[in-house]
Amino acid sequence: DGGITQSPKYLFRKEGQNVTLSCEQNLNHDAMYWYRQDPGQGLRLIYYSQIVNDFQKGDIAEGYSVSREKKESFPLTVTSAQKNPTAFYLCASSIPRLGAFAEQYFGPGTRLTVT
Amino acid sequence: KQEVTQIPAALSVPEGENLVLNCSFTDSAIYNLQWFRQDPGKGLTSLLLIQSSQREQTSGRLNASLDKSSGRSTLYIAASQPGDSATYLCAVSDRGSTLGRLYFGRGTQLTVWP
Repeated sequence: DGGITQSPKYLFRKEGQNVTLSCEQNLNHDAMYWYRQDPGQGLRLIYYSQIVNDFQKGDIAEGYSVSREKKESFPLTVTSAQKNPTAFYLCASSIPRLGAFAEQYFGPGTRLTVT
Repeated sequence: KQEVTQIPAALSVPEGENLVLNCSFTDSAIYNLQWFRQDPGKGLTSLLLIQSSQREQTSGRLNASLDKSSGRSTLYIAASQPGDSATYLCAVSDRGSTLGRLYFGRGTQLTVWP
């Protein structure tokens, strides 16, 4: 089955620890995205990557880091510098086409709780 | 910067009603608009995508329209069912920013009771 997987589904960490969220896709998509969702809020873009070994900051990149060493994988690290890391994190992918639609497909999400 | 607004924030209706969910955006220079469904604690499921050159898209009991010039989209749900209960999110792909990035509204939380 083609799709996007995120692991783990639930993650608990102590304040001050870095934590890495996994995102893997087998859709052969070039572009991948990380969003953060807080209760009652729309999704906000953290980082995005259009090709391997290249990524750009989104609207709320402070306290986060990413890597894109393989087309299929786009892990997100939440560092201790992120002031309010508790949230629901969603990964997405798409085939970017200039001037055409770029439908995004989402993974099931990871709920991170930091205490 | 693109801003997306969804009205109402919450909606509770009896089964069988026809519903209209509204979405507005501030910058009409978009590639497309997507409607998503999100169940509690789950990821997003794409319902409909309307390209900027299209006026509407239909899938089963769902119909989405787009009026790009006025910055508005509506999602019409016919003959609502309890299984339609979820949060519905609207998102636009903006021509003014990186290809493919989406701007999201806060969603409409829909409850359909039997």
